[in-house]
This record gives sequence, C-alpha cells and structure tokens, in this order.
Amino acid sequence: SQTIHQWPATLVQPVGSPLSLECTVEGTSNPNLYWYRQAAGRGLQLLFYSVGIGQISSEVPQNLSASRPQDRQFILSSKKLLLSDSGFYLCAWSVGKNTEAFFGQGTRLTVV
Amino acid sequence: AQSVTQLDSHVSVSEGTPVLLRCNYSSSYSPSLFWYVQHPNKGLQLLLKYTSAATLVKGINGFEAEFKKSETSFHLTKPSAHMSDAAEYFCVVSDLVGNYQLIWGAGTKLIIKP
Repeated sequence: SQTIHQWPATLVQPVGSPLSLECTVEGTSNPNLYWYRQAAGRGLQLLFYSVGIGQISSEVPQNLSASRPQDRQFILSSKKLLLSDSGFYLCAWSVGKNTEAFFGQGTRLTVV
Repeated sequence: AQSVTQLDSHVSVSEGTPVLLRCNYSSSYSPSLFWYVQHPNKGLQLLLKYTSAATLVKGINGFEAEFKKSETSFHLTKPSAHMSDAAEYFCVVSDLVGNYQLIWGAGTKLIIKP
C-alpha cells in the first residue's frame, strides 16, 4: 500500500535561518506531489506541485522553493525564513488527473 | 473558473443529533468532488469522493454526501454525531481545466456539544 512520510513534525527556527522539509512517498510510481501551507484558522494554500522529476510549478510567489530530486521525494526549502513563513505545511500526493490527494501528517513551523 | 463555497465557517450540534455541512461548487464541467477531515494539528484524511458514479456517496465514519447537479451542491451529512467527529471539514473540487490542482473550500469547523 502507499504511504507518505513527512518530517519533522514540528520545527522552531529563527528568522533568517534556512529551511528544509522533506517528503517521501512509498508504494507508487510517478506520483503528482504537492506542498500546501495552512495558516492558523485558514484553508489550504497550494504552494508548489510537481508532475515529474525536476518539474516544479509555483502557485504563489514567496520566500520558498521546492525541488524533486527523485521520483518520490519532494523538498521544500528556504534560504532565509521570515516570520510570515510560520504555518502548518502539508505534503500530498496523487496519481493522474481528477483524483484525490493523500496527505502527510504535516509540519508545524514556527519562525521566531 | 471553478470554485467551492462552504456556507458555514462553524457548525455546532449536540452529540447524537444529525450533522449537515453545506458545500456549493461552481464548475463548467462534470467535476469530481471530495470531502476531507482534519483533526487539530493533523494531516487531512479523505472522507469520501464523488466521481460521476452514484450521486449518493458513502464514506468513512458514517458520513455520506449527495451530489445534486441542479443545485450545484455536495452537502455532507451524518445521522448521529459523535464527540470524535469534532474537527474541520473541507469540501474540494478537482480542477479539470488547470493542472492537477484541487480547489479547496475555506473549511467548516464542526463542534460537538455533549
């Protein structure tokens, strides 16, 4: 069966420090991969999605970037975190078009 | 453009009473629709999905939803609420025009009173 791993679960980082969040999927090939952010009391905002290795689409201009070095690995990064980067970050995967996405457990990022 | 509107930001019901979470969508195509649940500080779990088969869809934990094309609605219901149902619920439509994206409603927080 398919599983998705996202880590760490919580992270506290100072302003100006770098960020790297990792997500891996097991049990499927060539998944679509997504990074979402959820601010407190708000819905989900799609940050990046990828339909294949090295293919990244950005939905919102921001202080973040994403990379997909392997088929089932998706990384969210920042060179210098801002206070406004705080939030709950969720990785997800799907297969094909018009299908549901499956989510990791999320990373609670607090920038101080 | 496709969109999703969840009509209530909060819904409060007593334990043992029915639950109704409302969702309306806008789509030029025959959409796929989903409901997700999120417990505090957790990821999102798929409750159920509609993909142009039966209009009444049954999901996990006793939830079901009915696709009504004439009303462009996909309301989520449950006959009897449990305390464990307290969570946030998201209605989602697939974007058949865009690239692999899901269009998310703003969410409805379900509160269960003992």
